[in-house]
Amino acid sequence: DTAVSQTPKYLVTQMGNDKSIKCEQNLGHDTMYWYKQDSKKFLKIMFSYNNKELIINETVPNRFSPKSPDKAHLNLHINSLELGDSAVYFCASSPALVPGELFFGEGSRLTVL
Amino acid sequence: QQPVQSPQAVILREGEDAVINCSSSKALYSVHWYRQKHGEAPVFLMILLKGGEQKGHEKISASFNEKKQQSSLYLTASQLSYSGTYFCGTESTGTASKLTFGTGTRLQVTL
Repeated sequence: DTAVSQTPKYLVTQMGNDKSIKCEQNLGHDTMYWYKQDSKKFLKIMFSYNNKELIINETVPNRFSPKSPDKAHLNLHINSLELGDSAVYFCASSPALVPGELFFGEGSRLTVL
Repeated sequence: QQPVQSPQAVILREGEDAVINCSSSKALYSVHWYRQKHGEAPVFLMILLKGGEQKGHEKISASFNEKKQQSSLYLTASQLSYSGTYFCGTESTGTASKLTFGTGTRLQVTL
């Protein structure tokens, strides 16, 4: 049973479209994150949620909207996709708000054409 | 500002040692180290919480100099399985709960 699972693993879409990535963790953790890894492999935090409450919103464009229906799920919706949104998006979770070990999902590779 | 790692890339022969450095411009609360193999997710290695503390398991260890806002990861007698990209992640004082990853160091171990 995968600890942190993301779907889909791959998305290929046209500019201007809207897409969503879903994330679920079965570790019982309180905190979940979205990280973006660009083509240069830089890993940048986008959002963090603790018990469904938004904690970190790291100057991400408004086109990106996270939603946490419960503490086991954190979804990412992206409107009006742009070429620069192409990246691998990683979901992660940690037991508490102060990050100990982060458990990452396998990543979702988004390609915008 | 993300932490800066050095070197950017290193190639080793199996059995050789390597040191990866991580330097931050901010006062640090903790330093984390992760390894990411090609096409996979980052995997946790260790956390260091105190200045000068050294941690490790088997042949991978790390140190954290809180005063210099630096950490180093030591890989001893490298194995092929050590290949991957290493990231430090830092928590700055005053912005706890936010882990900022460094620029990454690509390590390749060859026969």
